[in-house]
Amino acid sequence: DGGITQSPKYLFRKEGQNVTLSCEQNLNHDAMYWYRQDPGQGLRLIYYSQIVNDFQKGDIAEGYSVSREKKESFPLTVTSAQKNPTAFYLCASSTSSGTTLYNEQFFGPGTRLTVL
Amino acid sequence: RKEVEQDPGPFNVPEGATVAFNCTYSNSASQSFFWYRQDCRKEPKLLMSVYSSGNEDGRFTAQLNRASQYISLLIRDSKLSDSATYLCVVNMIGSGYALNFGKGTSLLVTP
Repeated sequence: DGGITQSPKYLFRKEGQNVTLSCEQNLNHDAMYWYRQDPGQGLRLIYYSQIVNDFQKGDIAEGYSVSREKKESFPLTVTSAQKNPTAFYLCASSTSSGTTLYNEQFFGPGTRLTVL
Repeated sequence: RKEVEQDPGPFNVPEGATVAFNCTYSNSASQSFFWYRQDCRKEPKLLMSVYSSGNEDGRFTAQLNRASQYISLLIRDSKLSDSATYLCVVNMIGSGYALNFGKGTSLLVTP
């Protein structure tokens, strides 16, 4: 089955600790994204990557870091510099073909991060 | 001003009712438009893309008005299983193929 996996599903972190959220896809998609969702809010873009070894900041990149060493993987690190890290984190992927604007984004099941 | 704004919810409707959701977007350069569905505590999933000429998928009809920067979703003959949050989504200019999401409108279909 093709899809996107995220782990862990739930994560608890103490203040001051860095934590890394995993995102893996086997859809052969070039583009990958990280979003954050807070209760009652829309998704907000943290980082995105259109190709291996390249990534760009989204609207709320401060306090986060990413890497894209493999096409399949786009891990997100939530650092201690992120002031309000408790949220639902969603990873997505899509093709980045230039032939169509309507590239569906497929989402993983998400990771719920709680800072204690 | 938020990039994508939606009707405030929740919408509570009886089974079989027709319900309409509206959405406006602020960037006239936007080129692709979608409705996603999100169930409680789950990831969003694409419901349908929205094309300039309007499009229909079974009980769902989406319309786009570029002049007014307005998107709509109509659900006919509502089912209990339609209960979810509906997200209006527009492509993000200058960020690859990233998307701008509205906050969502909650729909509850009751027996």
